[in-house]
Amino acid sequence: EVQLVESGGGLVKPGGSLRLSCAASGFTFSSYTMNWFRQAPGKGLEWVSSIISDSSHIYYADSVKGRFTISRDNAKNSLFLQMNSLRAEDMAVYYCARETRSGWDRAFDYWGQGTRVTVSS
Amino acid sequence: AIQMTQSPSSLSASVGDRVTITCRASQDIRNDLGWYQQKPGRAPKLLIYGTSSLQSGVPSRFSGSGSGTDFTLTISSLQPEDFATYYCLQDFNYPWTFGQGTKVEIK
Repeated sequence: EVQLVESGGGLVKPGGSLRLSCAASGFTFSSYTMNWFRQAPGKGLEWVSSIISDSSHIYYADSVKGRFTISRDNAKNSLFLQMNSLRAEDMAVYYCARETRSGWDRAFDYWGQGTRVTVSS
Repeated sequence: AIQMTQSPSSLSASVGDRVTITCRASQDIRNDLGWYQQKPGRAPKLLIYGTSSLQSGVPSRFSGSGSGTDFTLTISSLQPEDFATYYCLQDFNYPWTFGQGTKVEIK
Protein backbone atom coordinates (compact mmCIF):
# COMPACT_ATOMS: atom_id res chain seq x y z
CA GLU A 1 0.00 0.00 0.00
CA VAL A 2 1.35 3.39 -0.98
CA GLN A 3 1.79 5.71 1.98
CA LEU A 4 3.10 9.23 2.30
CA VAL A 5 3.50 10.61 5.80
CA GLU A 6 4.51 14.22 6.36
CA SER A 7 6.08 15.54 9.53
CA GLY A 8 7.97 18.56 10.77
CA GLY A 9 5.24 21.16 10.81
CA GLY A 10 4.69 23.45 13.75
CA LEU A 11 4.71 27.00 15.03
CA VAL A 12 7.52 29.25 13.88
CA LYS A 13 8.14 32.99 14.12
CA PRO A 14 8.31 35.16 11.01
CA GLY A 15 11.80 34.92 9.57
CA GLY A 16 12.32 31.49 11.10
CA SER A 17 13.02 28.13 9.51
CA LEU A 18 11.39 24.74 9.42
CA ARG A 19 12.21 21.46 7.71
CA LEU A 20 9.38 19.28 6.52
CA SER A 21 9.79 15.57 5.82
CA CYS A 22 7.72 13.11 3.86
CA ALA A 23 8.29 9.41 4.48
CA ALA A 24 7.29 7.21 1.55
CA SER A 25 6.48 3.52 1.56
CA GLY A 26 4.77 0.92 -0.58
CA PHE A 27 6.37 1.90 -3.88
CA THR A 28 9.78 2.38 -5.49
CA PHE A 29 10.37 5.92 -4.27
CA SER A 30 13.48 6.43 -6.38
CA SER A 31 11.47 6.05 -9.60
CA TYR A 32 9.04 8.90 -9.03
CA THR A 33 8.98 12.66 -9.24
CA MET A 34 7.73 14.09 -5.96
CA ASN A 35 5.97 17.34 -5.21
CA TRP A 36 5.03 19.65 -2.38
CA PHE A 37 1.70 21.46 -2.40
CA ARG A 38 0.16 23.69 0.23
CA GLN A 39 -3.18 25.10 1.29
CA ALA A 40 -3.50 28.26 3.36
CA PRO A 41 -6.35 28.34 5.89
CA GLY A 42 -9.66 28.62 4.06
CA LYS A 43 -7.94 28.96 0.69
CA GLY A 44 -7.33 26.85 -2.39
CA LEU A 45 -4.49 24.56 -3.31
CA GLU A 46 -1.09 25.82 -4.45
CA TRP A 47 1.83 23.94 -5.95
CA VAL A 48 5.12 24.67 -4.15
CA SER A 49 7.94 22.56 -5.59
CA SER A 50 8.86 19.46 -7.59
CA ILE A 51 11.93 17.23 -7.66
CA ILE A 52 12.65 14.69 -10.35
CA SER A 53 13.41 11.08 -9.32
CA ASP A 54 17.20 11.46 -9.46
CA SER A 55 17.18 15.09 -8.23
CA SER A 56 18.44 16.19 -11.65
CA HIS A 57 15.72 18.78 -12.06
CA ILE A 58 14.05 20.91 -9.41
CA TYR A 59 11.29 23.48 -9.77
CA TYR A 60 9.83 26.09 -7.44
CA ALA A 61 6.87 28.40 -7.33
CA ASP A 62 7.94 32.04 -7.57
CA SER A 63 6.44 32.64 -4.13
CA VAL A 64 9.03 30.39 -2.47
CA LYS A 65 12.02 30.59 -4.81
CA GLY A 66 15.19 31.50 -2.96
CA ARG A 67 13.67 30.67 0.43
CA PHE A 68 12.62 27.03 0.16
CA THR A 69 14.77 24.07 -0.85
CA ILE A 70 13.38 20.71 -1.90
CA SER A 71 15.52 17.60 -1.62
CA ARG A 72 15.21 13.85 -1.38
CA ASP A 73 17.07 10.85 -0.03
CA ASN A 74 16.21 7.88 -2.22
CA ALA A 75 18.12 5.50 0.07
CA LYS A 76 15.80 6.50 2.91
CA ASN A 77 12.62 6.90 0.84
CA SER A 78 12.28 10.45 2.06
CA LEU A 79 11.37 13.84 0.64
CA PHE A 80 12.22 17.12 2.35
CA LEU A 81 11.32 20.79 2.20
CA GLN A 82 13.67 23.20 3.94
CA MET A 83 11.78 26.43 4.52
CA ASN A 84 13.74 29.55 5.46
CA SER A 85 12.76 33.19 5.94
CA LEU A 86 9.20 32.14 6.66
CA ARG A 87 6.44 34.69 6.20
CA ALA A 88 2.86 34.90 7.38
CA GLU A 89 1.72 33.99 3.88
CA ASP A 90 3.59 30.67 4.11
CA MET A 91 1.21 29.52 6.82
CA ALA A 92 -0.59 26.50 5.40
CA VAL A 93 -1.05 22.77 5.45
CA TYR A 94 1.76 21.27 3.38
CA TYR A 95 1.16 18.09 1.41
CA CYS A 96 3.63 15.85 -0.34
CA ALA A 97 2.32 14.09 -3.42
CA ARG A 98 3.58 11.44 -5.79
CA GLU A 99 3.61 12.25 -9.48
CA THR A 100 2.94 9.43 -11.87
CA ARG A 101 2.88 9.17 -15.64
CA SER A 102 0.51 7.17 -17.81
CA GLY A 103 1.74 7.56 -21.35
CA TRP A 104 1.81 11.32 -21.96
CA ASP A 105 -0.48 12.04 -19.03
CA ARG A 106 0.67 13.19 -15.62
CA ALA A 107 -1.23 12.68 -12.38
CA PHE A 108 -0.69 13.33 -8.69
CA ASP A 109 -2.11 10.07 -7.51
CA TYR A 110 -1.09 9.75 -3.87
CA TRP A 111 -1.04 12.49 -1.25
CA GLY A 112 0.03 12.56 2.35
CA GLN A 113 -2.28 13.67 5.12
CA GLY A 114 -0.54 17.02 5.40
CA THR A 115 1.48 18.83 8.05
CA ARG A 116 0.46 22.24 9.38
CA VAL A 117 2.85 25.16 9.40
CA THR A 118 1.89 28.17 11.51
CA VAL A 119 3.89 31.37 11.16
CA SER A 120 3.19 33.78 13.97
CA SER A 121 5.03 35.90 16.48
CA ALA B 1 2.00 31.42 -15.29
CA ILE B 2 -1.10 29.80 -16.75
CA GLN B 3 -4.27 31.05 -15.07
CA MET B 4 -7.06 28.57 -14.44
CA THR B 5 -10.53 30.05 -14.10
CA GLN B 6 -12.98 27.63 -12.51
CA SER B 7 -16.73 28.08 -12.28
CA PRO B 8 -18.95 28.17 -10.46
CA SER B 9 -17.22 28.87 -7.15
CA SER B 10 -20.04 27.05 -5.39
CA LEU B 11 -23.25 25.27 -6.21
CA SER B 12 -26.14 23.66 -4.41
CA ALA B 13 -27.48 20.41 -5.74
CA SER B 14 -29.59 17.47 -4.70
CA VAL B 15 -28.74 13.81 -4.61
CA GLY B 16 -29.28 12.42 -8.09
CA ASP B 17 -28.63 15.70 -9.86
CA ARG B 18 -26.25 16.03 -12.78
CA VAL B 19 -23.49 18.48 -11.89
CA THR B 20 -21.08 20.23 -14.24
CA ILE B 21 -18.00 22.21 -13.27
CA THR B 22 -15.90 24.06 -15.80
CA CYS B 23 -12.31 25.22 -15.97
CA ARG B 24 -10.82 27.59 -18.51
CA ALA B 25 -7.09 27.94 -19.07
CA SER B 26 -5.47 31.22 -20.06
CA GLN B 27 -3.64 29.43 -22.87
CA ASP B 28 -3.76 26.13 -24.70
CA ILE B 29 -2.81 23.32 -22.33
CA ARG B 30 -3.64 20.46 -24.74
CA ASN B 31 -5.24 17.84 -22.49
CA ASP B 32 -2.92 18.34 -19.51
CA LEU B 33 -5.60 18.78 -16.89
CA GLY B 34 -6.67 16.86 -13.82
CA TRP B 35 -9.54 17.09 -11.38
CA TYR B 36 -9.21 16.63 -7.62
CA GLN B 37 -11.79 16.24 -4.88
CA GLN B 38 -11.16 17.52 -1.39
CA LYS B 39 -13.26 17.01 1.71
CA PRO B 40 -12.81 19.18 4.82
CA GLY B 41 -9.66 18.32 6.75
CA ARG B 42 -8.58 15.78 4.17
CA ALA B 43 -5.95 15.60 1.46
CA PRO B 44 -6.98 16.09 -2.18
CA LYS B 45 -7.96 12.95 -4.07
CA LEU B 46 -7.27 12.40 -7.75
CA LEU B 47 -10.42 11.84 -9.80
CA ILE B 48 -9.48 12.47 -13.42
CA TYR B 49 -6.15 12.93 -15.19
CA GLY B 50 -5.27 13.76 -18.77
CA THR B 51 -8.65 15.55 -19.09
CA SER B 52 -10.72 12.38 -19.31
CA SER B 53 -8.95 9.38 -17.81
CA LEU B 54 -10.68 8.05 -14.72
CA GLN B 55 -8.35 7.23 -11.85
CA SER B 56 -8.55 3.65 -10.66
CA GLY B 57 -11.22 3.18 -8.02
CA VAL B 58 -13.11 6.37 -8.84
CA PRO B 59 -16.81 5.79 -9.61
CA SER B 60 -17.85 6.00 -13.24
CA ARG B 61 -20.37 8.76 -12.49
CA PHE B 62 -17.35 11.09 -12.66
CA SER B 63 -16.21 12.06 -16.14
CA GLY B 64 -14.04 14.71 -17.70
CA SER B 65 -13.94 16.29 -21.12
CA GLY B 66 -12.45 19.15 -23.10
CA SER B 67 -9.19 20.14 -24.72
CA GLY B 68 -7.13 23.24 -25.37
CA THR B 69 -8.53 25.84 -23.00
CA ASP B 70 -11.97 24.60 -21.94
CA PHE B 71 -12.56 21.64 -19.66
CA THR B 72 -15.47 20.10 -17.82
CA LEU B 73 -15.96 17.77 -14.88
CA THR B 74 -19.35 16.08 -14.82
CA ILE B 75 -20.94 14.09 -12.03
CA SER B 76 -23.78 12.24 -13.70
CA SER B 77 -25.80 11.49 -10.56
CA LEU B 78 -24.66 13.23 -7.41
CA GLN B 79 -24.26 10.97 -4.39
CA PRO B 80 -24.10 11.98 -0.71
CA GLU B 81 -20.37 11.27 -0.58
CA ASP B 82 -19.73 13.67 -3.48
CA PHE B 83 -20.38 16.80 -1.46
CA ALA B 84 -16.91 18.31 -1.39
CA THR B 85 -14.73 20.92 -3.06
CA TYR B 86 -13.40 20.20 -6.53
CA TYR B 87 -10.26 21.65 -8.11
CA CYS B 88 -8.87 21.53 -11.60
CA LEU B 89 -5.09 21.49 -12.01
CA GLN B 90 -3.10 22.15 -15.16
CA ASP B 91 0.11 20.19 -15.54
CA PHE B 92 1.04 21.45 -19.00
CA ASN B 93 3.96 23.46 -17.68
CA TYR B 94 5.45 24.81 -14.49
CA PRO B 95 4.22 26.33 -12.31
CA TRP B 96 1.37 23.85 -11.99
CA THR B 97 -1.72 25.94 -11.27
CA PHE B 98 -5.12 25.16 -9.78
CA GLY B 99 -8.52 26.60 -10.35
CA GLN B 100 -10.05 28.43 -7.41
CA GLY B 101 -12.21 25.47 -6.47
CA THR B 102 -15.92 24.65 -6.61
CA LYS B 103 -17.72 23.80 -3.40
CA VAL B 104 -20.60 21.40 -4.01
CA GLU B 105 -23.18 21.71 -1.26
CA ILE B 106 -26.41 19.97 -0.43
CA LYS B 107 -29.56 21.74 -1.57
